[in-house]
Amino acid sequence: AQTVTQSQPEMSVQEAETVTLSCTYDTSESDYYLFWYKQPPSRQMILVIRQEAYKQQNATENRFSVNFQKAAKSFSLKISDSQLGDAAMYFCAYRSLSKLTFGTGTRLQVTL
Amino acid sequence: GAVVSQHPSWVICKSGTSVKIECRSLDFQATTMFWYRQFPKQSLMLMATSNEGSKATYEQGVEKDKFLINHASLTLSTLTVTSAHPEDSSFYICSAPTSGQLYEQYFGPGTRLTVT
Repeated sequence: AQTVTQSQPEMSVQEAETVTLSCTYDTSESDYYLFWYKQPPSRQMILVIRQEAYKQQNATENRFSVNFQKAAKSFSLKISDSQLGDAAMYFCAYRSLSKLTFGTGTRLQVTL
Repeated sequence: GAVVSQHPSWVICKSGTSVKIECRSLDFQATTMFWYRQFPKQSLMLMATSNEGSKATYEQGVEKDKFLINHASLTLSTLTVTSAHPEDSSFYICSAPTSGQLYEQYFGPGTRLTVT
């Protein structure tokens, strides 16, 4: 079975600074997708960024980018120019076929 | 983007009663929907996959007779918690992939269930 590990239960970043959230996963499959989801206090899950495993190029979405290391099974999220609205729980997720497997989450605090 | 709704957003029920939660895809059809459970400060755990026109597929350890799932149409899946107990209190979230792109899943806003 696939597992997703987020080793940082909590992280803190100052506004306008950069923070990196870590994620590792375990799988024997070669074709899969990786995601970062944001869950603010409203608890609505929001897709932040997606990475296809067959793509070598790291995905970017505005201030959000990933460092995808397929051989190391690592998928970290970098948030640049952090904003107060970035404060939330962040979940790393793995998808093969249709099912999503989530990590335990990292709570990100943004301070002034 | 695609929208998924859930109803109710919050429900309180007495122990021993049943409660139904609806999940609707508002602007697209979904032959498959997913039901998750999230305990406070924890991650989402997949409970079951809801399939339109056929039986749901439950994850290991999930009691199918307790968590009844019905996917009656291409836009509606329901989760019924039968004979609810306080330990069933949790946050339940559904999601639906848009047609042809199963890697694009849209999540409902969730339902908070409290069993007293």
